[in-house]
Amino acid sequence: EPEVTQTPSHQVTQMGQEVILRCVPISNHLYFYWYRQILGQKVEFLVSFYNNEISEKSEIFDDQFSVERPDGSNFTLKIRSTKLEDSAMYFCASRKRGQETQYFGPGTRLLVL
Amino acid sequence: GQNIDQPTEMTATEGAIVQINCTYQTSGFNGLFWYQQHAGEAPTFLSYNVLDGLEEKGRFSSFLSRSKGYSYLLLKELQMKDSASYLCAVSMEYGNKLVFGAGTILRVKS
Repeated sequence: EPEVTQTPSHQVTQMGQEVILRCVPISNHLYFYWYRQILGQKVEFLVSFYNNEISEKSEIFDDQFSVERPDGSNFTLKIRSTKLEDSAMYFCASRKRGQETQYFGPGTRLLVL
Repeated sequence: GQNIDQPTEMTATEGAIVQINCTYQTSGFNGLFWYQQHAGEAPTFLSYNVLDGLEEKGRFSSFLSRSKGYSYLLLKELQMKDSASYLCAVSMEYGNKLVFGAGTILRVKS
């Protein structure tokens, strides 16, 4: 069964550094999402992406964040200058056109020191 | 604003039935999802309701009342592996972003 994959599984970085989190959505899915979950808290929406454009973004998704689909398979989330409060699990999700269910990748655990 | 409420924790016995409730008040609605999340792992899809009524899938059933802003997830014949967090999430119109509740930690004891 096809799955969403994410790399790396863990990333440790210094405050102020840039990080890029990578996702490979399910191959015939057209809608892509990033969510994050701070330890012990709820899953929060960051951004949705369709047809090479951001569809919607949350208040969390400020100028430090960007997303890109650099080729036909990858979907990336970049944090330009990480802060301590960016430490969280970041989940990528995708869904097919005409279906509502979003399928989540295994996540990248980001720790900012 | 968006408000999704579910109990923080529940405990049930192996083999029993448990019902996890969720109430929601959101500015839009395009369906309600239940996901299961084991600690440190991704949410895994369990069920989706967009119309009122009960959806049954094996040991899991989910109910929705749109007029009451209410859903529940019913787990039958509980197994130890069902110990996890259960997330209620509302899918919003336009873009289908998911708005999650805080999750209900279910502990299954023998």
